[in-house]
Amino acid sequence: AQSVTQLDSQVPVFEEAPVELRCNYSSSVSVYLFWYVQYPNQGLQLLLKYLSGSTLVKGINGFEAEFNKSQTSFHLRKPSVHISDTAEYFCAVRLLSGSARQLTFGSGTQLTVLP
Amino acid sequence: EAGVTQFPSHSVIEKGQTVTLRCDPISGHDNLYWYRRVMGKEIKFLLHFVKESKQDESGMPNNRFLAERTGGTYSTLKVQPAELEDSGVYFCASSQVSSNTGELFFGEGSRLTVL
Repeated sequence: AQSVTQLDSQVPVFEEAPVELRCNYSSSVSVYLFWYVQYPNQGLQLLLKYLSGSTLVKGINGFEAEFNKSQTSFHLRKPSVHISDTAEYFCAVRLLSGSARQLTFGSGTQLTVLP
Repeated sequence: EAGVTQFPSHSVIEKGQTVTLRCDPISGHDNLYWYRRVMGKEIKFLLHFVKESKQDESGMPNNRFLAERTGGTYSTLKVQPAELEDSGVYFCASSQVSSNTGELFFGEGSRLTVL
């Protein structure tokens, strides 16, 4: 079975500062990797995904993430955050093959951008 | 194009009562998933429909939960009788069967509070 660990439940950061949200996963087989974001009073929205190819993937709103297979990590980064980035961020994995097609999520990281 | 819609957005019921949550997936999406997030923990998979068939219901917590997907369109999730630990946010998601990337489109969730 696969699992996802988001090491930080709360990340406060000042506006225009850089941010990194950490995600580690565990799986005995290859997985797809995702970051979803949930803005207040909204549903989950896909931020970016890693399927194959370049290990650095770029998403919406200036976010990017780097897949590190040896460290089984998929950390999310943004060089300069805005107030509007305040939201909860979820890392998730999905098996490449097999009958289990569902996403496995981490427990989420609340990013709060301070003025 | 309409996204995934869920109803109600918030339901408050007493222990022992029944609640039915509804999900309308994106038109043409044969995959439909139910997830639940309890008390700020990780978002957990409940079950997966492909059209009207239950593909995987391994995440359903117990037999008080009943999910249906009539005609392969909208889905309902009934909790009967509700218990305190059922409180949480229930998310619905959909995707196309032909999609191999695993991207799911989520609704805004139905918040259930059991008193």
